[in-house]
Amino acid sequence: NAGVTQTPKFQVLKTGQSMTLQCAQDMNHEYMSWYRQDPGMGLRLIHYSVGAGITDQGEVPNGYNVSRSTTEDFPLRLLSAAPSQTSVYFCASSYSGPQPQHFGDGTRLSIL
Amino acid sequence: AQKVTQAQTEISVVEKEDVTLDCVYETRDTTYYLFWYKQPPSGELVFLIRRNSFDEQNEISGRYSWNFQKSTSSFNFTITASQVVDSAVYFCALSGFTSGTYKYIFGTGTRLKVLA
Repeated sequence: NAGVTQTPKFQVLKTGQSMTLQCAQDMNHEYMSWYRQDPGMGLRLIHYSVGAGITDQGEVPNGYNVSRSTTEDFPLRLLSAAPSQTSVYFCASSYSGPQPQHFGDGTRLSIL
Repeated sequence: AQKVTQAQTEISVVEKEDVTLDCVYETRDTTYYLFWYKQPPSGELVFLIRRNSFDEQNEISGRYSWNFQKSTSSFNFTITASQVVDSAVYFCALSGFTSGTYKYIFGTGTRLKVLA
């Protein structure tokens, strides 16, 4: 039972590049969400999903896209990376509401 | 607007001391949830507790206890007989629906250092 799996763990991008952060969970949770954590701060919600085919924006959605074609997967796409998107990204899932209960290990992303 | 305040930026205690981490929140929602998470130095995030706004019962789980008081908009977290392994950053969070939009707000965290 892997829980929530995020890949990659580390990534360096150049400004303007695009990439997809992968997130998969094997707990059959309906709710999944993406957060970013900047130094000295708590998490900020980027996007969330309440089930396959249903997504919505969080507090800081600009520059990011998501989709939820299956219950298991919830990828986060950076459309055109900017230095302001340098952060640690966490994916999370929950069985009882959008609020995160199980987290992935995080992806440390640097944009040069 | 929703807001979570963790006024204690950093706390240091000696092992076996009790320590309370404060969390004060603001919301206009009548239904909301409060959370605590732990982030140890290794960086992962660990969910500790969820409490809904209609349940003001205090909760105890081993050495951890939580005191929820709606009258003071506080959801404080106490660690009894602290241990070095409790050293981490602890986050309080608040969620709710405002005007049909889901909001989830984290505090800035309290760094707890437990010294041997």
